[in-house]
Amino acid sequence: DAGITQSPRYKITETGRQVTLMCHQTWSHSYMFWYRQDLGHGLRLIYYSAAADITDKGEVPDGYVVSRSKTENFPLTLESATRSQTSVYFCASMGQMNTEAFFGQGTRLTVV
Amino acid sequence: GENVEQHPSTLSVQEGDSAVIKCTYSDSASNYFPWYKQELGKRPQLIIDIRSNVGEKKDQRIAVTLNKTAKHFSLHITETQPEDSAVYFCAASKSYGQNFVFGPGTRLSVLP
Repeated sequence: DAGITQSPRYKITETGRQVTLMCHQTWSHSYMFWYRQDLGHGLRLIYYSAAADITDKGEVPDGYVVSRSKTENFPLTLESATRSQTSVYFCASMGQMNTEAFFGQGTRLTVV
Repeated sequence: GENVEQHPSTLSVQEGDSAVIKCTYSDSASNYFPWYKQELGKRPQLIIDIRSNVGEKKDQRIAVTLNKTAKHFSLHITETQPEDSAVYFCAASKSYGQNFVFGPGTRLSVLP
């Protein structure tokens, strides 16, 4: 199916564990973004990527790692999960800068 | 980096009335200003956008205005309906591979 998909949709993990959230898009969009959404904070940018092998930090990158070896995939890894990383995570993609950004359905992550 | 503020954080209007949400941005180089709507439990979706060479844009009941000098832009919804109830986010970005930063959101409730 065409579009942008995230997996898993829901994840519960323990403090200190490594967890990877997956994001896959089928449009060959150049730009991809990871946001976290917490009540009262809106959508905060974690990392973004302008193309394969090009990534950069956003507003709240600490504790997260990204990679982009292929244009269509942009995984987000929490190296050692903390309770403060409990959130809903959204991946988004954009074809060219300043065109519509399409969001995945989100991953609800709970760190216990 | 870019900082986007948004007001009010919550807004309640009677069905049929108008709603206005305002955003300010900090980076004078920003030139693209989209608005996203997020219904409960769903992903954000683009409803309208405006570029810096345009002062106003309309799409049926929705309009956006931009004042580059003052660095603020606004979303106007006329003849509000219950299905307009959602969280609305403004965003600002520049042309070249920079942050795509969102405001903190406005929860709009349209009362029947």
